[in-house]
Amino acid sequence: DVQLVESGGGLVQPGVSLRLSCGASGFTFSNYYMTWVRHIPGKGLEWVANIGPDGSEKYYVESLKGRFTISRDNAKNSLYLQMRSLRAEDTAIYYCARDTGRRTIDHWGQGTLVTVSS
Amino acid sequence: DVVMTQSPLSLPVTLGQPASISCRSSQSLVYSDGNTYLNWFQQRPGQSPRRLIYEVSNRDPGVPDRFSGSGSGADFTLKISRVEAEDLGIYYCLQGSHWPYTFGQGTKLEMK
Repeated sequence: DVQLVESGGGLVQPGVSLRLSCGASGFTFSNYYMTWVRHIPGKGLEWVANIGPDGSEKYYVESLKGRFTISRDNAKNSLYLQMRSLRAEDTAIYYCARDTGRRTIDHWGQGTLVTVSS
Repeated sequence: DVVMTQSPLSLPVTLGQPASISCRSSQSLVYSDGNTYLNWFQQRPGQSPRRLIYEVSNRDPGVPDRFSGSGSGADFTLKISRVEAEDLGIYYCLQGSHWPYTFGQGTKLEMK
């Protein structure tokens, strides 16, 4: 079974950095695009970033470009999201998801909560 | 960005009765390869989203056949032929035809 397990969330102050991780199992990780999606309370779901199977392709939603960086380590079956200069509006549940390569997600992790507050 | 507009945002239902959710996009979702990348997800309380439908009308494995997706261009519908208790939750549409991919606001299916 496909499993995606996020970690690294927590309560942080505005302006700090945080790195989220996602461990994948149950499929050949290096064959798939991977994605971060966030659920902002009261605002719904927002696609954050995509990364290609070998990490050479990266796509970001324009509003987060420059502050968020997606990366992966195929040897460790892991996906990452480095978030810098965090703001209150980045408060959300962050989901790791498997992208099928056909412009959709077919599996989601359980999510990790990031709360940005002083 | 493509705006996805779902209606209604809240849908009170009676078990055993049909339900229908609309999703409209601000531009056509027909991609240059001829496919239409419109998906539907279900999120039950306390769970992560689960994909039900991809490319407008293709049901995922294990999804009951009471769920069906239809539509074309910029106008799509998710139908549940007879609502069961396990169907209660929030439903989202997602377009993958234009970057950035965008979700609808969600429709909460709840007991009448």
